[in-house]
Amino acid sequence: TQLLEQSPQFLSIQEGENLTVYCNSSSVFSSLQWYRQEPGEGPVLLVTVVTGGEVKKLKRLTFQFGDARKDSSLHITAAQPGDTGLYLCAGVDFGNEKLTFGTGTRLTIIP
Amino acid sequence: ETGVTQTPRHLVMGMTNKKSLKCEQHLGHNAMYWYKQSAKKPLELMFVYNFKEQTENNSVPSRFSPECPNSSHLFLHLHTLQPEDSALYLCASSPEGLMNEKLFFGSGTQLSVL
Repeated sequence: TQLLEQSPQFLSIQEGENLTVYCNSSSVFSSLQWYRQEPGEGPVLLVTVVTGGEVKKLKRLTFQFGDARKDSSLHITAAQPGDTGLYLCAGVDFGNEKLTFGTGTRLTIIP
Repeated sequence: ETGVTQTPRHLVMGMTNKKSLKCEQHLGHNAMYWYKQSAKKPLELMFVYNFKEQTENNSVPSRFSPECPNSSHLFLHLHTLQPEDSALYLCASSPEGLMNEKLFFGSGTQLSVL
């Protein structure tokens, strides 16, 4: 079973700052998803990336899939309190087509 | 509102109790899932149902018993649980049960086993 390490585990920054969180594995993914989970709710899908080197933008959020399809990053520009939540990456293993979730980054944006 | 509803939202039970978690989806999806979310651990897939048939059981202890009477409803029957089973139990659905599909999660049931 592949292990997806997310870093940092916790991040607390001021409103308006920029940040990047990471999702890394030694395995190759056929696709990778990013979810955000707000307190008291289930995860909600933000984006799916499928091509090595792919970059997708969702307003102030920029998602990048590594060229080798083993890692991904999420960059948030001008963070807002509404960005607060647990960010989860989830990768589909290229070999066994299983979806595995990462360890999560808990983000807090301070007003 | 994701279209997936879980009840109850919170549950406290003793180790000798029997209780059930309920999940209902209004999205017309064919696949439903149970996940366990514990502190400091990744989301763990427990069971998958596709067209009402169980297609995956990730070595889950028999004190957890799933039931899927139709494609819209999913239950998780609990009996003689242990304190380490305390966690957030999330139900999810997806259109066809393919691994790269978007998962639609419910808000979860926060379970505490005393």
